Amino acid sequence: DTGVSQDPRHKITKRGQNVTFRCDPISEHNRLYWYRQTLGQGPEFLTYFQNEAQLEKSRLLSDRFSAERPKGSFSTLEIQRTEQGDSAMYLCASSLAGFSRRDNEQFFGPGTRLTVL
Amino acid sequence: AQSVTQLDSQVPVFEEAPVELRCNYSSSVSVYLFWYVQYPNQGLQLLLKYLSGSTLVKGINGFEAEFNKSQTSFHLRKPSVHISDTAEYFCAVIPGDYKLSFGAGTTVTVRA
Repeated sequence: DTGVSQDPRHKITKRGQNVTFRCDPISEHNRLYWYRQTLGQGPEFLTYFQNEAQLEKSRLLSDRFSAERPKGSFSTLEIQRTEQGDSAMYLCASSLAGFSRRDNEQFFGPGTRLTVL
Repeated sequence: AQSVTQLDSQVPVFEEAPVELRCNYSSSVSVYLFWYVQYPNQGLQLLLKYLSGSTLVKGINGFEAEFNKSQTSFHLRKPSVHISDTAEYFCAVIPGDYKLSFGAGTTVTVRA
């Protein structure tokens, strides 16, 4: 399977703990996106990378959140001092961005469901 | 600024009946439009997209959508649904940049 993969699929943690999620994009894709989806809502953009550079961060991404893509391949999303409001599905997507927005079809992974107790 | 409004949060439908899911968007720039489907505990799968050209777009699994610029709408239709079409459906736009902006979703429940 050469799709986008995410690990873990489920994470249960206690408030105040740190958690880290991993996303492996489709291998030739240069763009990687993180979205957050809360119950009953559509996904909301968090951040994206082009290769290893983090080009945009949403205001939703508080100081407790940090994302990296050190070698332009996989990415990690870390949440420090988790709060109950962080409970959500965290979705990763990747795309092969060219010179036109037409190229930007995003392929999504299965998501990591975080529950903060 | 851009926003996506999905006008129906829940759509119950009988098997083999037609279904229409409504989506309106607002944007100050030209947009690209998408419909995604999400099955329980899974990620998003692209059903179809409008980039340019013909306003009637055909996608996977028998779905189609029509882009109406004057009404800023992108409604999704299927002439005959199956039980397997039970899922959450999201309308999304990419306006002037590269991030997707999603509607709140429509839950389709197909009954036998």
